[in-house]
Amino acid sequence: GIQVEQSPPDLILQEGANSTLRCNFSDSVNNLQWFHQNPWGQLINLFYIPSGTKQNGRLSATTVATERYSLLYISSSQTTDSGVYFCAVTSLMDSNYQLIWGAGTKLIIKP
Amino acid sequence: DAGITQSPRHKVTETGTPVTLRCHQTENHRYMYWYRQDPGHGLRLIHYSYGVKDTDKGEVSDGYSVSRSKTEDFLLTLESATSSQTSVYFCAISESRAANTGELFFGEGSRLTVL
Repeated sequence: GIQVEQSPPDLILQEGANSTLRCNFSDSVNNLQWFHQNPWGQLINLFYIPSGTKQNGRLSATTVATERYSLLYISSSQTTDSGVYFCAVTSLMDSNYQLIWGAGTKLIIKP
Repeated sequence: DAGITQSPRHKVTETGTPVTLRCHQTENHRYMYWYRQDPGHGLRLIHYSYGVKDTDKGEVSDGYSVSRSKTEDFLLTLESATSSQTSVYFCAISESRAANTGELFFGEGSRLTVL
């Protein structure tokens, strides 16, 4: 089945810094989503982005489907950005539309 | 924010007792899911539903059953809880599972401890 790898696994930054999180996948996808799990455990949908670029405030995401990767950009980081960021995909070949999850990137923003 | 409510949010129970977790949505989405999240395993799908009385198994369905008698409610039942089912359980909803409308929204989670 499709493999999803996220990097880096951990990232520690000072408040105000910019960061780039990466999600590589091993097969063509028709569904790619980025989620943020905050320190209280809540899972928030950030982007639905199987291809192209989207922006929402300080966050933006780009998926290059032909090269099988997606990037999540966080600009001017704030302490509230801390948490774990997950990428999840559905393989184009999977008729069950099973969502496959990466292991996540743990981000810590220090004040 | 998507209208998804899980109950109870926290529960401590003993091995061998039945447990039911409830997920209630106000979005009228067709698909509902139950995931569990454990350290080192990430999110794993237990069961999902694609309509009233229509359910299917996920990757870790053993020891769990589900029911959906109304569009808005999806119940997860542990018939006889075991310590290995100690976990955080998340309910999620999506409008569809199709490529362009499969955006997933999560409830706040239910922390279950089985002693």
